Amino acid sequence: DTGVSQDPRHKITKRGQNVTFRCDPISEHNRLYWYRQTLGQGPEFLTYFQNEAQLEKSRLLSDRFSAERPKGSFSTLEIQRTEQGDSAMYLCASTPFGGGEHRGELFFGEGSRLTVL
Amino acid sequence: AQSVSQHNHHVILSEAASLELGCNYSYGGTVNLFWYVQYPGQHLQLLLKYFSGDPLVKGIKGFEAEFIKSKFSFNLRKPSVQWSDTAEYFCAAAAYNFNKFYFGSGTKLNVKP
Repeated sequence: DTGVSQDPRHKITKRGQNVTFRCDPISEHNRLYWYRQTLGQGPEFLTYFQNEAQLEKSRLLSDRFSAERPKGSFSTLEIQRTEQGDSAMYLCASTPFGGGEHRGELFFGEGSRLTVL
Repeated sequence: AQSVSQHNHHVILSEAASLELGCNYSYGGTVNLFWYVQYPGQHLQLLLKYFSGDPLVKGIKGFEAEFIKSKFSFNLRKPSVQWSDTAEYFCAAAAYNFNKFYFGSGTKLNVKP
């Protein structure tokens, strides 16, 4: 499967611990997005990268959240000092910014579900 | 502020019934519109998209959507649903440069065989 992959698929942690999620986008896609989804809601924008540059970050995102895409390929999302309110599905998506038939189409991974106890 | 609203949270239909799911957006400037679907246990995937031109767009699996600018709407339709259409459907909007995508809260469709 050459789609977007995310790891781990499920993470259970205790409040106050740090967690890191990894996303491997489709190889030729230069844009990568992180979204968060809670029960009964649609995906909520967190941040996005074009190649290795983080171009925008949601104002809703606290300083405990940080994301990187060091070589313009895979990306990591770290949450420090987790809180119960961080429990959610964290989605990664990539897209081939530019023209072509898939212009503007987000290709999503399966998501990483975080449970904070 | 940009936002997308889906008013139907849960829809139950029998097979062969017609489907229309509502989507309204609030967006200043040029907007690109999408419908995504999430089948049980699967990831979100694109159904169809609208950038410009013919306001009636056709997507996969017999779905279509109509962009009505005056109503800020982009409703999804299918003339005859199948049990396999059981899924959650999300409407989304993005600016011309696709820097952010705003999603609605989703509509769960349950099609009874």
